[in-house]
Amino acid sequence: GQNIDQPTEMTATEGAIVQINCTYQTSGFNGLFWYQQHAGEAPTFLSYNVLDGLEEKGRFSSFLSRSKGYSYLLLKELQMKDSASYLCAVVDSNYQLIWGAGTKLIIKP
Amino acid sequence: GAVVSQHPSRVICKSGTSVKIECRSLDFQATTMFWYRQFPKQSLMLMATSNEGSKATYEQGVEKDKFLINHASLTLSTLTVTSAHPEDSSFYICSANSGTGDFNEQFFGPGTRLTVL
Repeated sequence: GQNIDQPTEMTATEGAIVQINCTYQTSGFNGLFWYQQHAGEAPTFLSYNVLDGLEEKGRFSSFLSRSKGYSYLLLKELQMKDSASYLCAVVDSNYQLIWGAGTKLIIKP
Repeated sequence: GAVVSQHPSRVICKSGTSVKIECRSLDFQATTMFWYRQFPKQSLMLMATSNEGSKATYEQGVEKDKFLINHASLTLSTLTVTSAHPEDSSFYICSANSGTGDFNEQFFGPGTRLTVL
């Protein structure tokens, strides 16, 4: 079967750095997305990785290792507004999006 | 970026009634639209994929006669929850894919919170 694993919940301090991991086992791989979802709102796009390595976008970076079936989202200089759920989603061989359950990130002052 | 709207944002209805939710791509033509359902503290669950002018493809376990999807134009898809029951109460989110640029990047609507009494 297809499986995406992320931690259920993480807590971090304002101004710090946090890494949210995602491991996947899917039938084929055609890219991995990270989305941010605030409570009661729809997801918003953060990043897309299809090749191995690190993609940096301001305070957010995303890393992919296809051989390990592993990705992480790195958030720097955390702000209170970063409190949200972070969803990892993998595009499988049929170009379907397989969603992880999301990681709820709690930022404390 | 591409904008997707949904209407209504919230709806409360009585058990047994039908509810229609609209999803529109405002500044691009959406060749494919997706309907998701999300229960509290759970991930998105894909319900169906619709392509303009053809029948929707439903995921396993989703009743096609209960969740009617119409994708009549490249900018509009509708989801009708027929004979809604309290267990249908959920957050319904649509997304659209223009088929250009980063493939499979989906642009999400703001969601519709359905409460069935």
